[in-house]
Amino acid sequence: DQQVKQNSPSLSVQEGRISILNCDYTNSMFDYFLWYKKYPAEGPTFLISISSIKDKNEDGRFTVFLNKSAKHLSLHIVPSQPGDSAVYFCAAREGNTPLVFGKGTRLSVIA
Amino acid sequence: DSGVTQTPKHLITATGQRVTLRCSPRSGDLSVYWYQQSLDQGLQFLIQYYNGEERAKGNILERFSAQQFPDLHSELNLSSLELGDSALYFCASSVGTGVEKLFFGSGTQLSVL
Repeated sequence: DQQVKQNSPSLSVQEGRISILNCDYTNSMFDYFLWYKKYPAEGPTFLISISSIKDKNEDGRFTVFLNKSAKHLSLHIVPSQPGDSAVYFCAAREGNTPLVFGKGTRLSVIA
Repeated sequence: DSGVTQTPKHLITATGQRVTLRCSPRSGDLSVYWYQQSLDQGLQFLIQYYNGEERAKGNILERFSAQQFPDLHSELNLSSLELGDSALYFCASSVGTGVEKLFFGSGTQLSVL
């Protein structure tokens, strides 16, 4: 039973355009959401997060949107750059419990 | 560099064998987490230790065990290995518990032949 779902295994975007990565969750008790980025042969690295009391958080080119009623969050990257090509994992947490991760979406930014 | 060190990077072994994966957390971090990433699967939480004590348990098989030592490094022991145990095993650390920012090592790629 997957509590965090990333239904798109891959996404291809032109350089300079917007990348939108989506994530759905089933546990309404999740109160913190995060995105991690992973390059080949490296471990995941923290990218951006959002608390359930907010609906948007921005950090430079990265913005995360949270829609609690739809149990959906998305990561927007604008503008997309070739160096953004990586696997992106959505993760969520309920209280102090360990993070639950999705399966990841592979983003390819084409120059 | 996340500051989390995992050894070995690669491990090839046979079914039925036992292996030990090692993790050194970032300096000052008290929590260590183990995650498994199988083919086409996300990061599956296995187990968490905080300052030497087991804190949380996820989908960890009975054939697997872990511990955290007084110097805070952790070991994940996998025994009676099966083909399906082939995966990338990540260790992560954080300052405390319930902290959102986990720092991951680069993983140990386990291949069971």
